[in-house]
Amino acid sequence: AQSVTQPDIHITVSEGASLELRCNYSYGATPYLFWYVQSPGQGLQLLLKYFSGDTLVQGIKGFEAEFKRSQSSFNLRKPSVHWSDAAEYFCAVGGPLFGNEKLTFGTGTRLTIIP
Amino acid sequence: SQTIHQWPATLVQPVGSPLSLECTVEGTSNPNLYWYRQAAGRGLQLLFYSVGIGQISSEVPQNLSASRPQDRQFILSSKKLLLSDSGFYLCAWSEGRGHQPQHFGDGTRLSIL
Repeated sequence: AQSVTQPDIHITVSEGASLELRCNYSYGATPYLFWYVQSPGQGLQLLLKYFSGDTLVQGIKGFEAEFKRSQSSFNLRKPSVHWSDAAEYFCAVGGPLFGNEKLTFGTGTRLTIIP
Repeated sequence: SQTIHQWPATLVQPVGSPLSLECTVEGTSNPNLYWYRQAAGRGLQLLFYSVGIGQISSEVPQNLSASRPQDRQFILSSKKLLLSDSGFYLCAWSEGRGHQPQHFGDGTRLSIL
């Protein structure tokens, strides 16, 4: 079965510092990978997606993620965080083995930004 | 452009009362539709998904049911709510063809008293 692990429950970063959020997945074939962001009391917004091709994916709000097959990882990065980036971030995996209907989500990483 | 509407935004219900949460999508045809529940401090649990009118797949046994009476309408229901049904419920849609990301509504906060 597919699974996603986000090992960091909570991360605190200073405004202007760089950010990396970790995501590891388990999947029996080439996965489809996603990062979503959720502000308190809101739904999830898609930041970026990886289906195939270039393993470095650019998303909205200055985020990027790199797919590393050898490490089964899809870590999210941002070179300089802004206070508005404080939110919860979810990694998700899906793919053809289980049909395009279903995604499996990680348990999320809560990001706090300090001045 | 496509939009997804979910209501109500918040709901407080007594134990044993019925439930109906509604989700509608605009600007697309034959979408895949999903209901998730998000418990505090946890990830998303897929409850139901639908690939077409009247086609509902249930992921976990529970006190809830779902229906899709129209192409772009997805309803989450219960006949008798339990305390454990409290949570944040999210509706999502994706394109019905190919491997597409899911797009989420703003959610419903359900509190059971």
